[in-house]
This record gives sequence, structure tokens and C-alpha cells, in this order.
Amino acid sequence: NAGVMQNPRHLVRRRGQEARLRCSPMKGHSHVYWYRQLPEEGLKFMVYLQKENIIDESGMPKERFSAEFPKEGPSILRIQQVVRGDSAAYFCASSRIRGTHEQFFGPGTRLTVL
Amino acid sequence: GNSVTQMEGPVTLSEEAFLTINCTYTATGYPSLFWYVQYPGEGLQLLLKATKADDKGSNKGFEATYRKETTSFHLEKGSVQVSDSAVYFCALLGSARQLTFGSGTQLTVLP
Repeated sequence: NAGVMQNPRHLVRRRGQEARLRCSPMKGHSHVYWYRQLPEEGLKFMVYLQKENIIDESGMPKERFSAEFPKEGPSILRIQQVVRGDSAAYFCASSRIRGTHEQFFGPGTRLTVL
Repeated sequence: GNSVTQMEGPVTLSEEAFLTINCTYTATGYPSLFWYVQYPGEGLQLLLKATKADDKGSNKGFEATYRKETTSFHLEKGSVQVSDSAVYFCALLGSARQLTFGSGTQLTVLP
């Protein structure tokens, strides 16, 4: 049973470019969460999505960041006009509809903004 | 809001030493509590969990007990190995279904 998949694993962008991070949840999981880990910091919640719905985006920066989880395909975290402060590791997690709400994490995408 | 306070590191131990990493939390309601481990360059792996008061989570020799009276979930292991070197995160899952993490504790075990 494949785990949570994220790609790319490493992404380098220049200031002002766009970054697209993709996440495929575990089979049977319909809930996706994005977290950001800034250097020397813990993980911070960004957004919680179900298929075609954003449930909670209270942790998302107000500008330049957006997320989607379409009916078909992976969840996408999009960062427009990246700045150096966006450099971080971005982790996706997924969970089942029912159960303990335990979240399983992907390997992360490490974004570097030059 | 919810918060998790975790023992600051780094922690350096010799192989076979006893490990304790303290974790306390503030939350409304009845959260579930977790310990995650992160090896260099990798994502988080669930180490153990407890979903209600007095539950004890255990895995790979690690243990933690959900103490509601002291709002704590300390991680312990009786005899650490070099392979346990990693960053350990305490986390809680509240009703909003988002995990709140502590700042992480870097553990280094020397042979």
C-alpha cells in the first residue's frame, strides 16, 4: 500500500516565479492537510481539504498561497511570486474519513527560493 | 487556542541510556496526542499515539502516557540506540482536525 506521495522532492525557484507542489494521498484517504516547516522551527498547519472543498485554511498566508484538491488527481499547493521567506519544507498528510483521524505524512517538498 | 510545549534540545545521550523528552499541552476538549519522529531529509513518521486520558502509547521500545491531570505526554525509552538519533515532535489533534506541533527535540545517541 503506497504511502503519501509528494513531488517534486526538491524545488528551486527564483524570486517572483511560481511554485506548484503536488500531493497524492494514501489509497482510501479523502482528507488532505498541508503543513510548512520553516528552518529551525516546528511544523505549522496551513490548510485542510477534502475532495473539491477547502475545509479550513486558517493557517494559509492571505496572499500568494492557494490550495486545491480536485475530484481527480493530486492536491496542489500553489505559491505565486515566491519570495525568499517561502523557502521551507512543505509536508502533506492524509487521513481516512472515519477512524482516529490519524494523519500519515509524505516525504515533503523542500522549496528553495534564490 | 491549542498549544504544545516541548523540551528544548538538543539532547545527547550515550547508547543504552534512559531517554525522557517532556511534552505538555494546552487544549480545549479532549485531544488525541501523538509523537512523531523525523529522520534527516525525510518526512514525519508516527511513533505512537494515545486518544484518551490514561492511555499508554508504545512502539519500538518508546512509551508515552496521556496524563490529563498534568496535561502531559512525556516520551520515554529505557535504552536508546544510535539508530534512534532523529528529531522528535509531540503533537495534539483537536476538534478542528489540524495537528498542533511542539518545536521538536533533536536527539543524538553516541556509540
